[in-house]
Amino acid sequence: NAGVTQTPKFRVLKTGQSMTLLCAQDMNHEYMYWYRQDPGMGLRLIHYSVGEGTTAKGEVPDGYNVSRLKKQNFLLGLESAAPSQTSVYFCASKAGWEETQYFGPGTRLLVL
Amino acid sequence: AQTVTQSQPEMSVQEAETVTLSCTYDTSESDYYLFWYKQPPSRQMILVIRQEAYKQQNATENRFSVNFQKAAKSFSLKISDSQLGDAAMYFCAYRRDNNNDMRFGAGTRLTVKP
Repeated sequence: NAGVTQTPKFRVLKTGQSMTLLCAQDMNHEYMYWYRQDPGMGLRLIHYSVGEGTTAKGEVPDGYNVSRLKKQNFLLGLESAAPSQTSVYFCASKAGWEETQYFGPGTRLLVL
Repeated sequence: AQTVTQSQPEMSVQEAETVTLSCTYDTSESDYYLFWYKQPPSRQMILVIRQEAYKQQNATENRFSVNFQKAAKSFSLKISDSQLGDAAMYFCAYRRDNNNDMRFGAGTRLTVKP
């Protein structure tokens, strides 16, 4: 019963490097989300998807891109990492008929 | 824009006692959802309880209950018979109906003393 999983758990990048964070869910959920969590702040929505092939911007989308090629996967990309993107990233998913989001364990990203 | 405020950065409670965590929010909407999430040291976000704004009855889940005051835009969480495992960060969250942008408060760190 995996639920929502995230890969990797931790990563260190140098400024300017690129990387992709992977989120996978096995609950057949239509909706998927990417959040970031910074010290002293709650989670902030980066991008989200309401279905395969669709994506939309959230509260803080700049510097990130996303793709939802398969229903079960939601990828978050950083094309040119900046120190301001040092954060903990959470993925979440939910069914279309449900109000509750289910979260993954988080990915800690450090950009030097 | 909707904002969520948690005015208590830290709270502590004695084991078996009751504690209340505060949350206020700002919105001009009438239909929305409110949530309390728990984040233990493992960082996993776990749903504690949720409330639909159109329901007047306060939600309860075992030892967890809310005091939802719609006119005051207040949504507090009460934890009864506190247990050591309740120690965590607690986040209040708001989501407008038919909208995917969920807004979180800054969190309250709860310590449970044995």
